[in-house]
Parts: sequence; C-alpha cells; structure tokens
Amino acid sequence: DAGVTQSPTHLIKTRGQQVTLRCSPISGHKSVSWYQQVLGQGPQFIFQYYEKEERGRGNFPDRFSARQFPNYSSELNVNALLLGDSALYLCASSLTGIGETQYFGPGTRLLVL
Amino acid sequence: GIQVEQSPPDLILQEGANSTLRCNFSDSVNNLQWFHQNPWGQLINLFYIPSGTKQNGRLSATTVATERYSLLYISSSQTTDSGVYFCATGGGNKLTFGTGTQLKVEL
Repeated sequence: DAGVTQSPTHLIKTRGQQVTLRCSPISGHKSVSWYQQVLGQGPQFIFQYYEKEERGRGNFPDRFSARQFPNYSSELNVNALLLGDSALYLCASSLTGIGETQYFGPGTRLLVL
Repeated sequence: GIQVEQSPPDLILQEGANSTLRCNFSDSVNNLQWFHQNPWGQLINLFYIPSGTKQNGRLSATTVATERYSLLYISSSQTTDSGVYFCATGGGNKLTFGTGTQLKVEL
C-alpha cells in the first residue's frame, strides 16, 4: 500500500508570494494534519482536518489556510510568504485523527528568498 | 499547552552499544508516539505507546503514563540508527513534539 504522499518535494519562492502544498493520505484514512518543522526543531502543529472539516488549528497566522477534499486529500496554502516560513512542511494521516498512530509523508521543503 | 522534553539532546555511541532516550511530558495524555527522522527528513513511526511496553527487534519502548514519561531503548546500535529521535504526544487531535535527541552511531 502507498504511504502518505506529498508534492512538490522542494519549492523555492520569494517573499510575498503564495504557495500551495499538496498531500494524499493513506488509502482509507480520513484525517489529515499539517506540521511545520524549522531547522533544528521538532514539528509544530498547523491544522487538522477530518471528513473535510477543520478539527484543530495551531498557533499560526491567518496567512496559513488549508482544506480537505472529498477524496480526503488536502492542500495547505500560505500567502504573503516571509523568510521565516522556510521550513519542512509535513503531512500526516490517520484513520480518525484521535488517539491513534499518525503516519507522516516525506515532506515538502520550502525555501523563501 | 502540553510541554514535552527529551533527553539527552545529543548522543554519540559506538556501534554495538545500548542507549536509553527519555521523554517527559507535562500532562496526562492518551497518545504517545516515537519517531525516527532520517537525514532526508522522513519521520518513521517506531511505536505508538500511550502506556505499557512494546518491543520491535532491537528497539523497545515503555510509557508510564501516571508518571508522565516514556523511554526508548536501542540495543546493539548500528550506524543506520543515526538520526533524530522524537517523541510526540497530546490529547485529542494534535501532536506536540519534543525537541528531539540527535543520535550518531560511529563504527
């Protein structure tokens, strides 16, 4: 079975631009979560979606938004990029998102210049 | 929110040595996972262990939820064990990660 997939793998943007990152969960998983990992730190929770509804949001500005589609894939959008948005963006999927194993994708490395 | 602390922050081992990594958390949780992050950034699930003990080959983990800590044991370490080990926990729908233990296993 395929694991969690993310695209693109790498991305370079300039300050002020907008970016869209994509995630496909493991087949049968209905929950998708997004995390940001800056160099030298652990991942930080951004969003969780379950059955197309936002279930949780971390301490990130409104420039960050996400959505989940009927096939349970998800997009993370970041507007008005700042240098500090440079990070590894990780997507995780699980069956229901509560009290169970979460499986992570390979991530998208975003560099903002 | 919940606080997660890991120790030690860095660890260098000779191949074949054993080690214990510790994760302390500040509140009751129903969800604890251990991950290994490889040099390419992939987070690999090691254990989902909200309580009790589990073993998988050379790795084992124990969580004592009432005392708010978890331990990851690595026996007979190999160079491929190098990387960053994270524990992550939290209630409900989000994981809070510790700052990780950077492990380097040398020949």
